[in-house]
Amino acid sequence: NAGVTQTPKFQVLKTGQSMTLQCAQDMNHEYMSWYRQDPGMGLRLIHYSVGAGITDQGEVPNGYNVSRSTTEDFPLRLLSAAPSQTSVYFCASSYSPDRNQPQHFGDGTRLSIL
Amino acid sequence: GQNIDQPTEMTATEGAIVQINCTYQTSGFNGLFWYQQHAGEAPTFLSYNVLDGLEEKGRFSSFLSRSKGYSYLLLKELQMKDSASYLCAVVDSNYQLIWGAGTKLIIKP
Repeated sequence: NAGVTQTPKFQVLKTGQSMTLQCAQDMNHEYMSWYRQDPGMGLRLIHYSVGAGITDQGEVPNGYNVSRSTTEDFPLRLLSAAPSQTSVYFCASSYSPDRNQPQHFGDGTRLSIL
Repeated sequence: GQNIDQPTEMTATEGAIVQINCTYQTSGFNGLFWYQQHAGEAPTFLSYNVLDGLEEKGRFSSFLSRSKGYSYLLLKELQMKDSASYLCAVVDSNYQLIWGAGTKLIIKP
């Protein structure tokens, strides 16, 4: 059982570059989300999706785009990388939030912007 | 605004008991999760409370008081592998998760 798979695990970018963080889940979960985790702070929601074709902004969406063309995949795009986006990024999936099922997290992507 | 408070760091001794507190002020309440996160790894689910009272799961228990906006995670018979961060997260009225900054638990022999 793969669960939630994130790629890459590590990435170094230069300011202004763009890239896509990949996330895929094989649990047929409706709900998928992207978080960033910075030292001393809680997980902060970037974007989320409640199903294929539906996405919405979270707490810190600026500088990021998402799409959800299939149930399985939920890529996160950095449009023009900035040093403030240096962080650890986690993708998570679960059944519909109103069912209060726990989220399953990917292993994370450690991103450094120089 | 919405706020989750947890102690930043706690230290305990192997074999002992430790209680990690979480207080919250959120727009609505639809449940509270506890997750464990080892350094450099992803968070993993520990427990879920939506009704007042204690939920026990092996060495770990979680308590909730909705009227006080308070929860705690109780870890018994501490083992070195319990050294990790413990994250409290509240489900608000829009079914969004609001996360605390986490409590780093250090276990000493």
